[in-house]
Amino acid sequence: DAKTTQPPSMDCAEGRAANLPCNHSTISGNEYVYWYRQIHSQGPQYIIHGLKNNETNEMASLIITEDRKSSTLILPHATLRDTAVYYCIVRVHTGNQFYFGTGTSLTVIP
Amino acid sequence: DAGVIQSPRHEVTEMGQEVTLRCKPISGHDYLFWYRQTMMRGLELLIYFNNNVPIDDSGMPEDRFSAKMPNASFSTLKIQPSEPRDSAVYFCASSFQGAITEAFFGQGTRLTVV
Repeated sequence: DAKTTQPPSMDCAEGRAANLPCNHSTISGNEYVYWYRQIHSQGPQYIIHGLKNNETNEMASLIITEDRKSSTLILPHATLRDTAVYYCIVRVHTGNQFYFGTGTSLTVIP
Repeated sequence: DAGVIQSPRHEVTEMGQEVTLRCKPISGHDYLFWYRQTMMRGLELLIYFNNNVPIDDSGMPEDRFSAKMPNASFSTLKIQPSEPRDSAVYFCASSFQGAITEAFFGQGTRLTVV
């Protein structure tokens, strides 16, 4: 049970910001939002996670709405190497199952 | 640390044969996960261990699949007998509870059963 909804695909011009949305309308108060990506033929790679505050790291920013029912992953300056499938996951911070949905296939266009 | 290490990277076997996939988690991690990925079903959690003990195996498709973790640094996923529908990429991941509990994935084993 992935508990998240994402658009199946998106395009982004190289150098522009990529904004990937995720709906998680049934999220519980103790569930975190995690983002992973999977570049072709590789294992999924952790990007970022958050509970209710916006988060930023060297890879991306995570914006979570005040009601926590949706979030957006932002890649500030997309490169061709960011072409991948991006997964949005909700899970309890100390719970241990990561359930992956179908994700968003992001294509960065030169 | 070299990350999560899986072997072999590719495996081709005939239907009915036994297949064993291997995983070495990151040192110090106390959770280990086995996933299967296919085009039709995406990434599916098969089983996970905590401190070498299986916690949830509800994702294991049937009795032909078994997983063990004899110690903190090694786990196996066995399929016996294998069938063509088992063809998939199998990923192992590990994580450490209590810290930022993201899971780190291996590069996967691509299994083809002919």
